[in-house]
Amino acid sequence: GAVVSQHPSRVICKSGTSVKIECRSLDFQATTMFWYRQFPKQSLMLMATSNEGSKATYEQGVEKDKFLINHASLTLSTLTVTSAHPEDSSFYICSARDQIRGKLFFGSGTQLSVL
Amino acid sequence: GQQLNQSPQSMFIQEGEDVSMNCTSSSIFNTWLWYKQDPGEGPVLLIALYKAGELTSNGRLTAQFGITRKDSFLNISASIPSDVGIYFCAGRRGGADGLTFGKGTHLIIQP
Repeated sequence: GAVVSQHPSRVICKSGTSVKIECRSLDFQATTMFWYRQFPKQSLMLMATSNEGSKATYEQGVEKDKFLINHASLTLSTLTVTSAHPEDSSFYICSARDQIRGKLFFGSGTQLSVL
Repeated sequence: GQQLNQSPQSMFIQEGEDVSMNCTSSSIFNTWLWYKQDPGEGPVLLIALYKAGELTSNGRLTAQFGITRKDSFLNISASIPSDVGIYFCAGRRGGADGLTFGKGTHLIIQP
């Protein structure tokens, strides 16, 4: 089946540094990818919609200057958490939409811990 | 952001029992999905529902898309230990939209 690869699976960083998370669709093209955030014991919350070749669309309350999204190719979207703080510690999950079949596939998530 | 109303929040059942959980929304969704998530992993799709009134099965799992398009339920029959986990409903309005998730149902099975 279709696979979405998310890297890294776990990252620990110091407060004030930036962290980049990659989301790749391995066997399909995705003009649209989505980024979610999940705090412990809570649900997934949509942060932004990443569109290949254009600007991302952010959900209300999500700072676009803090969570930089780049979708430069049909198989790769990146989320950069800039100047990370401990409150940004969370599980970040991407999903990619197969542009031909229209189905959504999730990555395995990235656990970010900011010290 | 918006979340769907999912209940129950948690369930403690005996192995072999049937399980039922549901989601409701104040607004219409055109697709309903049910996922299972293990700790530290991304959600895995169990069942997708695309038409109001649709009833779909996947092995021991059965889910229905409510007629009003504002609700869905998931049933698991004859539960087994590997069914333990957190189950999420999710709704999608349009094909290019992201998902709105429920708060999750934590299923715990006692042998």
